[in-house]
Amino acid sequence: DTAVSQTPKYLVTQMGNDKSIKCEQNLGHDTMYWYKQDSKKFLKIMFSYNNKELIINETVPNRFSPKSPDKAHLNLHINSLELGDSAVYFCASSRMTTVTYEQYFGPGTRLTVT
Amino acid sequence: KNEVEQSPQNLTAQEGEFITINCSYSVGISALHWLQQHPGGGIVSLFMLSSGKKKHGRLIATINIQEKHSSLHITASHPRDSAVYICAVRGRGTYKYIFGTGTRLKVLA
Repeated sequence: DTAVSQTPKYLVTQMGNDKSIKCEQNLGHDTMYWYKQDSKKFLKIMFSYNNKELIINETVPNRFSPKSPDKAHLNLHINSLELGDSAVYFCASSRMTTVTYEQYFGPGTRLTVT
Repeated sequence: KNEVEQSPQNLTAQEGEFITINCSYSVGISALHWLQQHPGGGIVSLFMLSSGKKKHGRLIATINIQEKHSSLHITASHPRDSAVYICAVRGRGTYKYIFGTGTRLKVLA
C-alpha cells in the first residue's frame, strides 16, 4: 500500500548507457514531478505532469525525457548517461487544487554513473 | 543568491532543547512547505502553510507572509529528530516549488 513508489532504488551504470526510472502513485493524484537532489542535498525540480500534460519543463539536458502513460505513472528516461548525472532522483505526486497542494515523495533512486 | 534561504545550515542540539529553523524567501508565494529528510534519504512532508500557524505533536510551523518568513520549531527535541529540514515555496501563479538548501539538525542524547 505504498503511496509513491520508484524503481529501481539503486542504479549503477556506465557512462554512455541509457536507463529508465519508473514512478507510480496510488493516491489518485493528478500531478507528478521529478526532482534531482545533488551531492549537497539541494533539491531541484526537473519536470511536472498534470493529467498527463507536461506543465513544468526546467532547463535540463534533452537527454532526459519524461513519459507519463497515465495519471498514476511518470517515468524518466535518460540517454547517454554522464558522470554529472549521478544524483538521487525523487518522484513526487500531488492533487492540484486552486490554492495549495501538498506533495508526497517517493523513496528516491540513487543513480551512480561510473 | 537563492530565492529561498534557510538558517542555520547546520545545527547541533542537546536532547530536550527547543529548536528553531528559519526560512526566508524573496518571491510572492501561494504556499510554503516544510519537509524532513532522514539520513536514510526518504522525504516526508511535515507542514504546508499559506498563513498563520500549524502544530503537529512537538512540531510547530509559523509563517509571516508580509515579512516573507517562516519558522519551524521543535519542542523537547529528541535524537530521532536528527534529519535535514527543507523549506520549499510555491511561487504565486506557478506550479513549481523552489527549495531551500536545507538545515542539517543533529540532536545529541
